[in-house]
Amino acid sequence: GAVVSQHPSRVICKSGTSVKIECRSLDFQATTMFWYRQFPKQSLMLMATSNEGSKATYEQGVEKDKFLINHASLTLSTLTVTSAHPEDSSFYICSARKNHYGRGAHYEQYFGPGTRLTVT
Amino acid sequence: DQQVKQNSPSLSVQEGRISILNCDYTNSMFDYFLWYKKYPAEGPTFLISISSIKDKNEDGRFTVFLNKSAKHLSLHIVPSQPGDSAVYFCAASPGLTDSWGKLQFGAGTQVVVTP
Repeated sequence: GAVVSQHPSRVICKSGTSVKIECRSLDFQATTMFWYRQFPKQSLMLMATSNEGSKATYEQGVEKDKFLINHASLTLSTLTVTSAHPEDSSFYICSARKNHYGRGAHYEQYFGPGTRLTVT
Repeated sequence: DQQVKQNSPSLSVQEGRISILNCDYTNSMFDYFLWYKKYPAEGPTFLISISSIKDKNEDGRFTVFLNKSAKHLSLHIVPSQPGDSAVYFCAASPGLTDSWGKLQFGAGTQVVVTP
C-alpha cells in the first residue's frame, strides 16, 4: 500500500474563522488528489479534484470560494475552509491517486485518516 | 442521483463463514471498481479493485466479481473474521479520461462478524 497523512486530525474553530487542512502523500508522488466530505452515517461525497500545478476542479454544488484548494507540490494538497460556519462541521477526507501507466494502466487510490472539523 | 448503490445497509455473519456484499451501478461509463473498508473516524482502507476487462479478481480472503451486463459487482470475504467488522464501501470510476480516479461511492454496508 501507500501512506497518506492528514493534519490536523481534528480541529475546533469559531464561526467566521478559516481552517486549513493538509493532505500529504508520504511515499509516492501524487499529481492528483481528491477531497471528500462525509456526514454522519452517510457515504463519502467528492468535493473537488486537486491537480498539481493547476486549478482544482469542483463538483457541482461545492463553493470554490469557500473551499480553497492548493496543490503546491507533488506530495501536498491543502483545503482551506474559509469563513467557517456550523454547517461546515463534518469529516473531511483526502485521497491521493497513484498511477500505473503502460499496458494494463490502472491506479490505486489511498485515503488519509480524515479530519474532524467542528465549527462552534 | 445515486450512481452507485449498496442496497443492504447491514450484514451480520458468523465467524468463519462467507460474507457477500453487493453493489449495483447505473453509469455505463464506469469501468474501474474498488472496495474500501472503513472504521469510524478513520479514512477508508483500500481492499481490492477490478477493471471492466475482468470479471473476477482475488486477493487473499477477498474476491471481487464483476457482471458488466447486469451492472453488478460483489465482494466475497471468506472466511470472515471478527476484525472484518467495519463499513464496506463500493466505489466506481470512469476510465482513462479526465475523470479517471473520481470515485463515486455507494452508501456503505455495515458488516458485523459474530463469534
